[in-house]
This record gives sequence, C-alpha cells and structure tokens, in this order.
Amino acid sequence: GQSLEQPSEVTAVEGAIVQINCTYQTSGFYGLSWYQQHDGGAPTFLSYNALDGLEETGRFSSFLSRSDSYGYLLLQELQMKDSASYFCAVSSPQTGANNLFFGTGTRLTVIP
Amino acid sequence: DTGVSQDPRHKITKRGQNVTFRCDPISEHNRLYWYRQTLGQGPEFLTYFQNEAQLEKSRLLSDRFSAERPKGSFSTLEIQRTEQGDSAMYLCASSFGRTSSYEQYFGPGTRLTVT
Repeated sequence: GQSLEQPSEVTAVEGAIVQINCTYQTSGFYGLSWYQQHDGGAPTFLSYNALDGLEETGRFSSFLSRSDSYGYLLLQELQMKDSASYFCAVSSPQTGANNLFFGTGTRLTVIP
Repeated sequence: DTGVSQDPRHKITKRGQNVTFRCDPISEHNRLYWYRQTLGQGPEFLTYFQNEAQLEKSRLLSDRFSAERPKGSFSTLEIQRTEQGDSAMYLCASSFGRTSSYEQYFGPGTRLTVT
C-alpha cells in the first residue's frame, strides 16, 4: 500500500517560522504536492516538488529528499491568516499518474 | 468568478434516496477530478476525467457511485441508494495539461448529509 505521515497539529507564534514534515511510502514516485485548506474552504495548491531540493514561493518553501522519502513545507514570517490545515499529497504509479493521494493533514494554529 | 463551481453547496437527504451533484470546472481545463473528504481527513480520490473520458476510478468506489462528463465540460456525480456512510464533503477539482495534474484547482464542495 501507500502511506503519508504528517503531524496532526502544530502551533506557532505570529512572525515565526514553522516546518511541517511529511514522510511517504509508495511504490514509485512522481512528486510531492502541498495544499492549504482553511476551515470551510477548498484546498488550494501551494507547491510541488518532483526533484530533490528546495522550491521557494514567497513566504512558503517546500523541500524534497527522494532518497529519504521525506519532504517538508516551510512557512516564514507567519501571519494569523496562515492558520489552516496543510496537506501533503503524493503522485505515483500506485495512485495513478493523474491522481493525488493526500495525507491526513496538519492543522496549523498561529497565535499572537 | 472563473473558478471551479459546484452545485448544490449543501444537500440533506434520507437514506436510500439518490442524489446528484454538479461541477463546472475552469473553462479551459481538460482534466476533472472528484474527491470525497470527511472531517479531519484529506481529500480521497474518487474518479478522474480527461475531456469526456473517465480514465480512472478508485477501487474503493462503490457501484452506487457514477460520474459523467458529457462533452468534456461540466460533470455530474450521482450516488444511488445513499447510506449514512456517504455523508461527507464532495470536492471537484480541475487542471489543465499533461504535466499539471499535481496542481489542481478545487471547488467549494458539496456537503452531503444522509439522515
């Protein structure tokens, strides 16, 4: 089978930096995506990593190590509006080339 | 607003009834996906269309579920003989191009409650 592990909850202070980790197990691997979902809202695409290394998009960065089956999402200069659930999602031959297998999500709470 | 739209936003139905949901993807997107999400979980893949062709379907998807995408535009998801376990948020997403299945644009979802 396949699996994704990420922490269920993280709390961080406004203005700080937080890292949300994701480890995956799957047969074959195409890439790791990150999505943000506010309560009552739709998931929104944040980033995608197919190759090892860091991808930066504004305050958000995502990292992938294929050899370790591990990735993380880094959020800098946290704002209150960043309070949301964050999902990692893997695409692989096991999921089907066109599908995403989502983790259970990490609920981030940003406190003043 | 040119995002993905879904209708209805909420549906309450009695067990055993049939329900149908509609999804209108972003107009230039040729790929359309249906997911189901329950509280505290990530979206769970149900089925995928490329244009009008249904190319992938989750092995977990009951025969009571059927989806169509006539003419490669909007899509409908029908659940027959609903069960309480079908209560969930049903999300539709779309994307464009061969290499962008990882970047999907989600609609606001249809929340189904089966009583």
